[in-house]
Amino acid sequence: KAGVTQTPRYLIKTRGQQVTLSCSPISGHRSVSWYQQTPGQGLQFLFEYFSETQRNKGNFPGRFSGRQFSNSRSEMNVSTLELGDSALYLCASSLRLAGVIGETQYFGPGTRLLVL
Amino acid sequence: AQKITQTQPGMFVQEKEAVTLDCTYDTSDPSYGLFWYKQPSSGEMIFLIYQGSYDQQNATEGRYSLNFQKARKSANLVISASQLGDSAMYFCAMRDTGGFKTIFGAGTRLFVKA
Repeated sequence: KAGVTQTPRYLIKTRGQQVTLSCSPISGHRSVSWYQQTPGQGLQFLFEYFSETQRNKGNFPGRFSGRQFSNSRSEMNVSTLELGDSALYLCASSLRLAGVIGETQYFGPGTRLLVL
Repeated sequence: AQKITQTQPGMFVQEKEAVTLDCTYDTSDPSYGLFWYKQPSSGEMIFLIYQGSYDQQNATEGRYSLNFQKARKSANLVISASQLGDSAMYFCAMRDTGGFKTIFGAGTRLFVKA
């Protein structure tokens, strides 16, 4: 089976712009979660989508949004970019809701976003 | 509140030796799961091993084993016969029934010396 794929792998944007990141989960997986990883804050949960519905959200401003399509692919959008949004954005997929104990999440290679 | 603590920012180990990476956790939920992930410099998080709070035996996956001490709330990862390719960041993570997300520790960077 193909793993989780994320596009693009690298992105450079300027402050005030918006960006859309894409994630394709493992075939058959219905849950997609997004994480932000920075040297200062570590790995932080952004949100989870399951069956096209947002099921859970982390403590991020409304500039961060996402959606999931009927084929389980997910996109994450960040509007009005700030310097502090520079990070590695990781997508993870799982068969069931990520909140199920024992449910393993499989991660993609991430998108490295640099905001200038 | 949920919390994961990894107290070793960096560790060195000689090739072919075993190494233990520490992880302590805090949760009031009796039902929870503990995960270890490896993150090479490429960025991808690779799932290594899982331990459930009700599992009677310590989890093992090849060269990886989890030293689970429930009373002490610790879930240390043991890597046997280290290889140069084991050099990476290692993250301990937890999920319980109270939260709908996985929380991660700060990570431990492992350096394997030839």
